[in-house]
Amino acid sequence: GAVVSQHPSRVICKSGTSVKIECRSLDFQATTMFWYRQFPKQSLMLMATSNEGSKATYEQGVEKDKFLINHASLTLSTLTVTSAHPEDSSFYICSAIGLAGRGNEQFFGPGTRLTVL
Amino acid sequence: QKEVEQNSGPLSVPEGAIASLNCTYSDRGSQSFFWYRQYSGKSPELIMFIYSNGDKEDGRFTAQLNKASQYVSLLIRDSQPSDSATYLCAVKRSNDYKLSFGAGTTVTVRA
Repeated sequence: GAVVSQHPSRVICKSGTSVKIECRSLDFQATTMFWYRQFPKQSLMLMATSNEGSKATYEQGVEKDKFLINHASLTLSTLTVTSAHPEDSSFYICSAIGLAGRGNEQFFGPGTRLTVL
Repeated sequence: QKEVEQNSGPLSVPEGAIASLNCTYSDRGSQSFFWYRQYSGKSPELIMFIYSNGDKEDGRFTAQLNKASQYVSLLIRDSQPSDSATYLCAVKRSNDYKLSFGAGTTVTVRA
């Protein structure tokens, strides 16, 4: 149990376009979802915390107008990278916690590889 | 000072040996400690978590926590080539769901 999916797994887009990434908890209700970004050979950096029905909380240095997060239901959160540029190319990973966890275990999605040309 | 620090490695061990990974953290309010394994191009997967001082064993993995020294380690016994990956240490405060990750230690198990 406790499966988190992400879609798409890989996306290539042109500079200036917007890209939406979906994160779904498949078999549990996710009260909180997290969005991370990972650059090559670096660790995961938390971008924002998303709670169902409320505004996301962004980490310092993350532009909320550039990275739009919507957590409209207990099973779906979306991250939209607006006006993407090559420096936004990264591995974006979501995670979720909810009623299915062992304690406060975060269940990670498989990640989305974004390449901006 | 980084919140969570790990030796970046790479750590190379022969098959069957013990791999020892270390992690230190700066926030004394940290209460939960996690070890994740991440294969190249994949997302992290949880190996172990530990909350209390001492050792916790799960199969070939042993986590050790020393809160006084702000130190947590992971031992991998009988290392296998499939253990070759980057191991991430993550720390959580008691009043927060957020995880702070270390930079990871890359382990290579030589056949």
